[in-house]
Amino acid sequence: GAVVSQHPSWVICKSGTSVKIECRSLDFQATTMFWYRQFPKQSLMLMATSNEGSKATYEQGVEKDKFLINHASLTLSTLTVTSAHPEDSSFYICSASRLAGGTYQETQYFGPGTRLLVL
Amino acid sequence: LAKTTQPISMDSYEGQEVNITCSHNNIATNDYITWYQQFPSQGPRFIIQGYKTKVTNEVASLFIPADRKSSTLSLPRVSLSDTAVYYCLVGDLNQFYFGTGTSLTVIP
Repeated sequence: GAVVSQHPSWVICKSGTSVKIECRSLDFQATTMFWYRQFPKQSLMLMATSNEGSKATYEQGVEKDKFLINHASLTLSTLTVTSAHPEDSSFYICSASRLAGGTYQETQYFGPGTRLLVL
Repeated sequence: LAKTTQPISMDSYEGQEVNITCSHNNIATNDYITWYQQFPSQGPRFIIQGYKTKVTNEVASLFIPADRKSSTLSLPRVSLSDTAVYYCLVGDLNQFYFGTGTSLTVIP
């Protein structure tokens, strides 16, 4: 259990276009989803936290108008990189946390990641 | 906020037991300790989670002393496929800290 998917797994786009990345929890309902970006040989950097039906909370330094997050349901969150530029090229990873209860604590389960290359 | 510290890298021979320690001196009462494994170009994979004492599952053990200011991930009899980066995460969903990761290289 606790499977998280991301789509697409990789995307190449031209500078100035927008790219949408989907994150789905496949076998559980996720109260909270997180979006990260990761540069080569570095740790994950939290971008934003999204709760279903609420506005996302962005980390300091992350432009909310540039990285639009929508958490439409308990199993789906989307990240849209608007007007992408080459410096937005990175590895984007989402995670989803299941409701605590029983044997489950508040644990983040990660998607496989999306590689974005902006030309 | 419980900032974490891990060794940057470790090497081990195949078949050895590997222990990776994470320091988190400012851990809060509500914080859990979670370990993840990450391969290149993949998302982190959950390994184990604990709050105190010892937790064991089919792939690893997690040792947490009484003061909870550190934790040790123990991987029994590592193989080449265990070469990866290992992260400890400390906190709860409201506030957490992702460590810098330990790059483990398993040598034949």
